[in-house]
Amino acid sequence: EAQVTQNPRYLITVTGKKLTVTCSQNMNHEYMSWYRQDPGLGLRQIYYSMNVEVTDKGDVPEGYKVSRKEKRNFPLILESPSPNQTSLYFCASSLVGGSREQYFGPGTRLTVT
Amino acid sequence: GNSVTQMEGPVTLSEEAFLTINCTYTATGYPSLFWYVQYPGEGLQLLLKATKADDKGSNKGFEATYRKETTSFHLEKGSVQVSDSAVYFCALSEGSNDYKLSFGAGTTVTVRA
Repeated sequence: EAQVTQNPRYLITVTGKKLTVTCSQNMNHEYMSWYRQDPGLGLRQIYYSMNVEVTDKGDVPEGYKVSRKEKRNFPLILESPSPNQTSLYFCASSLVGGSREQYFGPGTRLTVT
Repeated sequence: GNSVTQMEGPVTLSEEAFLTINCTYTATGYPSLFWYVQYPGEGLQLLLKATKADDKGSNKGFEATYRKETTSFHLEKGSVQVSDSAVYFCALSEGSNDYKLSFGAGTTVTVRA
């Protein structure tokens, strides 16, 4: 089944404790992206990657890191989480070219206390 | 920059009522336009899309027409069901170096039996 998976689905952590949210897709998509969803703001892009070893900042990159060492994986790293990073996070992927349709993972709900 | 404005909710309807959610956009060129749906506790799913002016996207009884002259992509359904209760997001994608989706804030729709 074609899908985007994320882990963990739920995470409660404390300020300053490094964490990684994994994202993996099995559709051989070149493009991958991370979004955060906050009430009244829709989804905002954090980082994106057009292909392996190519990453760039989105609209709200502060406090986040990413890497793209393999085509299928695109982890999101919070080196020192803060309460304002409490949010719902989505990973998405897409083929480069074509209709730009993106496929989304199920989401990771992160709470930083 | 690109932006999407969609009507604010929440919207509450009775079963079999007509649903319309307004969406207008600002873009510098010719974006692709999307409606995504998020059912409770789930990730985003593509509902429909249109990639050029006057295209009509349709799926599951929902329709939206890409209107370049009014920069709009309004979502409509003639007879809603309880199972259509969800959050609906209008989005656009433009640019050659990033497939970022720019989202509206989302409209929560509740359909009562």
